[in-house]
Amino acid sequence: KAGVTQTPRYLIKTRGQQVTLSCSPISGHRSVSWYQQTPGQGLQFLFEYFSETQRNKGNFPGRFSGRQFSNSRSEMNVSTLELGDSALYLCASSTGTGESETQYFGPGTRLLVL
Amino acid sequence: AQSVTQPDIHITVSEGASLELRCNYSYGATPYLFWYVQSPGQGLQLLLKYFSGDTLVQGIKGFEAEFKRSQSSFNLRKPSVHWSDAAEYFCAVGARGGATNKLIFGTGTLLAVQP
Repeated sequence: KAGVTQTPRYLIKTRGQQVTLSCSPISGHRSVSWYQQTPGQGLQFLFEYFSETQRNKGNFPGRFSGRQFSNSRSEMNVSTLELGDSALYLCASSTGTGESETQYFGPGTRLLVL
Repeated sequence: AQSVTQPDIHITVSEGASLELRCNYSYGATPYLFWYVQSPGQGLQLLLKYFSGDTLVQGIKGFEAEFKRSQSSFNLRKPSVHWSDAAEYFCAVGARGGATNKLIFGTGTLLAVQP
């Protein structure tokens, strides 16, 4: 079974721009979660989607948004980029049928904001 | 509030030596507990998990962890470290109750292995 895939792997943007990151979960998985990893704040939960609905949300500004499609693929969008948004963005998938199931992570998208 | 503490930011061990990475959590009940490993430039790989039952859990790559409720700890151990184990290790907790997969991570422990 193919693992979680994320595209693109690397991205360079400038302040004020917006960016969209994509995540394809493991086949059969319906839950997709997003995390931000930075040296200063560590790994922080952004949001989780299940069956095209946001099921949980972390403490991030509204500039961070996401969505999930009927095939369970998910995208996250960051608008009006700030320098502090430079981070590794990780996506994780699970079956979504229970609480705190095992999540499998993708390789991440490294975003650099200049 | 839930939290995870990994007291050791950086640990260096010699190849072949034993390893123990510490993890303490704060949670109102017994949480779900996980250990993940991250190699440079990579995502997170699951090493092992504790949901319930036997408090000593076995994982991949020869790792094990023991859940100690009285100490709110979930320390990761390996009897003999290999050079390929050099990486960053993250302990995480997941909530019980409610349909959510949100994980709270510790700050990580960076493991260096000396030849």
